[in-house]
Amino acid sequence: KAGVTQTPRYLIKTRGQQVTLSCSPISGHRSVSWYQQTPGQGLQFLFEYFSETQRNKGNFPGRFSGRQFSNSRSEMNVSTLELGDSALYLCASSSQGQGGTGELFFGEGSRLTVL
Amino acid sequence: AQSVSQHNHHVILSEAASLELGCNYSYGGTVNLFWYVQYPGQHLQLLLKYFSGDPLVKGIKGFEAEFIKSKFSFNLRKPSVQWSDTAEYFCAVNGGAQKLVFGQGTRLTINP
Repeated sequence: KAGVTQTPRYLIKTRGQQVTLSCSPISGHRSVSWYQQTPGQGLQFLFEYFSETQRNKGNFPGRFSGRQFSNSRSEMNVSTLELGDSALYLCASSSQGQGGTGELFFGEGSRLTVL
Repeated sequence: AQSVSQHNHHVILSEAASLELGCNYSYGGTVNLFWYVQYPGQHLQLLLKYFSGDPLVKGIKGFEAEFIKSKFSFNLRKPSVQWSDTAEYFCAVNGGAQKLVFGQGTRLTINP
């Protein structure tokens, strides 16, 4: 069974640009969650999508958005990039979603550097 | 708001030493508790989880954790660490907010 796939793995952008990251969940998983990982801050929850609907959202500005498609693949977008957006963005899929007792399966992440 | 605190940011041990990593959370209701591990260059993976029953749970690779409800704690333990346990460890809690909240992580370095 293929794991969670995130693309691109690495990218470099400049301030003011926008970026789109993609996540393909494990087959059969309907929940996709996004996290921002930075040193010292750990993992900060961005949002969760379940069956194409945003089910929960973290405390990030509106520049961070996402969506989920009918095949459960998800994208997140960050507009007007700032230096502080440099981070590892992790996608996780699960069958039950964030409210359940099930495990989240993580991808390897997309490392974004903003110059 | 739900929060998770991991007291140790970086722990350095020698092989065969015993390990205990602290995790405290702030939520008074029913919680599901998790420990995830991130080995160097690898993705996060589940180490163990607790949601009901015996408060002492066993995970992979000889790790265990004890849920102490009165202390809002879920500490991770291993009696004898190995060099291969070098990794970053994250405690996570799922409470009423219907989202998994992670701690800041503890970097564990095992010297051979």
